[in-house]
Amino acid sequence: AQKVTQAQTEISVVEKEDVTLDCVYETRDTTYYLFWYKQPPSGELVFLIRRNSFDEQNEISGRYSWNFQKSTSSFNFTITASQVVDSAVYFCALSEVRDDKIIFGKGTRLHILP
Amino acid sequence: KAGVTQTPRYLIKTRGQQVTLSCSPISGHRSVSWYQQTPGQGLQFLFEYFSETQRNKGNFPGRFSGRQFSNSRSEMNVSTLELGDSALYLCASSHRTGGGTEAFFGQGTRLTVV
Repeated sequence: AQKVTQAQTEISVVEKEDVTLDCVYETRDTTYYLFWYKQPPSGELVFLIRRNSFDEQNEISGRYSWNFQKSTSSFNFTITASQVVDSAVYFCALSEVRDDKIIFGKGTRLHILP
Repeated sequence: KAGVTQTPRYLIKTRGQQVTLSCSPISGHRSVSWYQQTPGQGLQFLFEYFSETQRNKGNFPGRFSGRQFSNSRSEMNVSTLELGDSALYLCASSHRTGGGTEAFFGQGTRLTVV
């Protein structure tokens, strides 16, 4: 069965600190996709990244970086030098190639304190 | 390029009534998915439409239905509203269907059932 677990419900850090959001997933498929989305107070989900199961290369985009490890079924997200604007709920998600729906984790609410 | 537009943004309905929510996808996108977001259950997949056909359906009662028009705009309908239907309903559009497709979300319709 598909499942995404974000064990951290809520995290608070002081601005400029680095913060890592954890994500663990379960799937029986060998081909799948992983996502991270950001949900600011406005409500819409903002796409951050997509990785397929065959690409374990870590990715960096500005202050954001992602660490994908198939051996531990994890896809963690790190924000370096956090800023107040990073405050939001972050969702990790999974999609299998044969299925159109996206399975979301429960989300991690991130507070960046000035 | 205009994003995904959902109307209305906010809605208050009485138990037993029915409601119709609308979603206009990004121009050129033919796939529209609907998700329900509640504090308790998180983000849950409702259904997906592609080229006016329902391709996938989540685990929701038959009171929840949807459709897609030839211009890719989609509506979802909830009949005989219950208090538990209070939620943020998010629509996502993609240029194609199939797992792993990058989905773009609207700001959602916040439905309150009283």
